[in-house]
Amino acid sequence: GAGVSQTPSNKVTEKGKYVELRCDPISGHTALYWYRQSLGQGPEFLIYFQGTGAADDSGLPNDRFFAVRPEGSVSTLKIQRTERGDSAVYLCASSLTGMNTEAFFGQGTRLTVV
Amino acid sequence: ELKVEQNPLFLSMQEGKNYTIYCNYSTTSDRLYWYRQDPGKSLESLFVLLSNGAVKQEGRLMASLDTKARLSTLHITAAVHDLSATYFCAVADYSGGGADGLTFGKGTHLIIQP
Repeated sequence: GAGVSQTPSNKVTEKGKYVELRCDPISGHTALYWYRQSLGQGPEFLIYFQGTGAADDSGLPNDRFFAVRPEGSVSTLKIQRTERGDSAVYLCASSLTGMNTEAFFGQGTRLTVV
Repeated sequence: ELKVEQNPLFLSMQEGKNYTIYCNYSTTSDRLYWYRQDPGKSLESLFVLLSNGAVKQEGRLMASLDTKARLSTLHITAAVHDLSATYFCAVADYSGGGADGLTFGKGTHLIIQP
């Protein structure tokens, strides 16, 4: 596609529920990143995929967070047993080959846990 | 752990004035990025600085990188209202101990008044 696409754009869920956030990167980009941005803060790194594999998941805050990219294109960020503190904008970015190349961000998914 | 500090965090300035935003980082890196974010929107890539002494200009914005001082600047010349936004610098961590994603500063919230 022309840009990084994220769905849904907004998600409201109840505390304790499971959510999935989807990212469709720019076609041909092998690197995909997930970031989380809280209000008034800069984005914080969560996980980086190179192809199908998670090359670095050191930013995931705990084991309730998990992400997959089974075919090396679309990625899904999964959050189990959501907590109010998970409320944030979740941004996805892709780049052609990795950290040496410019990353392009999607519009984000605003997650609100009530 | 890579730390990225921006200052100022808030800046209100008048149209027509010049100003500089500073970005300091704590570990060796030769890749620094500047992004713009409008309220409720995602991040727009402004500049990619890939080597010591790199200088890039686009319209009224100019960015530079000094890897020895671990400092980047974003200079605004003759500011106009349309430049009002939040500006983030982000640094790639090559120290081997950090995440493979970018580490962002907290952002500089810039308001340009007529």
